[in-house]
Amino acid sequence: GDSVTQKQGQVTLSEDDFLFINCTYSTTTYPTLFWYVQYPGQGPQLLLKVTTANNKGISRGFEATYDKGTTSFHLQKASVQESDSAVYFCALVFHNQGKLIFGQGTKLSIKP
Amino acid sequence: GPKVLQIPSHQIIDMGQMVTLNCDPVSNHLYFYWYKQILGQQMEFLVNFYNGKVMEKSKLFKDQFSVERPDGSYFTLKIQPTALEDSAVYFCASSLGQVSYEQYFGPGTRLTVL
Repeated sequence: GDSVTQKQGQVTLSEDDFLFINCTYSTTTYPTLFWYVQYPGQGPQLLLKVTTANNKGISRGFEATYDKGTTSFHLQKASVQESDSAVYFCALVFHNQGKLIFGQGTKLSIKP
Repeated sequence: GPKVLQIPSHQIIDMGQMVTLNCDPVSNHLYFYWYKQILGQQMEFLVNFYNGKVMEKSKLFKDQFSVERPDGSYFTLKIQPTALEDSAVYFCASSLGQVSYEQYFGPGTRLTVL
């Protein structure tokens, strides 16, 4: 069935390091892709949306890219800051559904 | 961004009792959702709701669960009776449309079943 996999459970970086988080999905249709960020004690906040039409989204210094060929999409940021410490979730909505299917989440810790 | 509110933020309840979780979605949104997150684990879809009806529910949405939104008031998730495995954080979300429309989440209600 439809699924999404986010293998990096935890990433620890220093300030100004490059961030790369990858998700892969399995489906017979082309989904719309989202990245959400969740801070402790809060609900997920929408960070980026990427559709098959644009293949890329940019927001707040983060960039998400959609690769239909490898059924993967990744989140990257050129230079992380301590304030970026949070849990990042990839999520998908498939063509004929409304529910979000979330990845397992990646906890990003930034050393000052 | 658009705000979704949830009341209460934390609820502690004895097993077997009834609980109602309340959600105040974004005012012009038409689609409503509940998700469940057990501590440290991924977010899982429970149910979505549109035009007064459940559109889709997952296997986590047990018979003891029900949702409603009477006349534009709170969108509620009721669990009756509660079980120990219902302890989790429940997030409400809303969206203007389906599929490619963004879902906006509330801060969650932490439910503890003793």
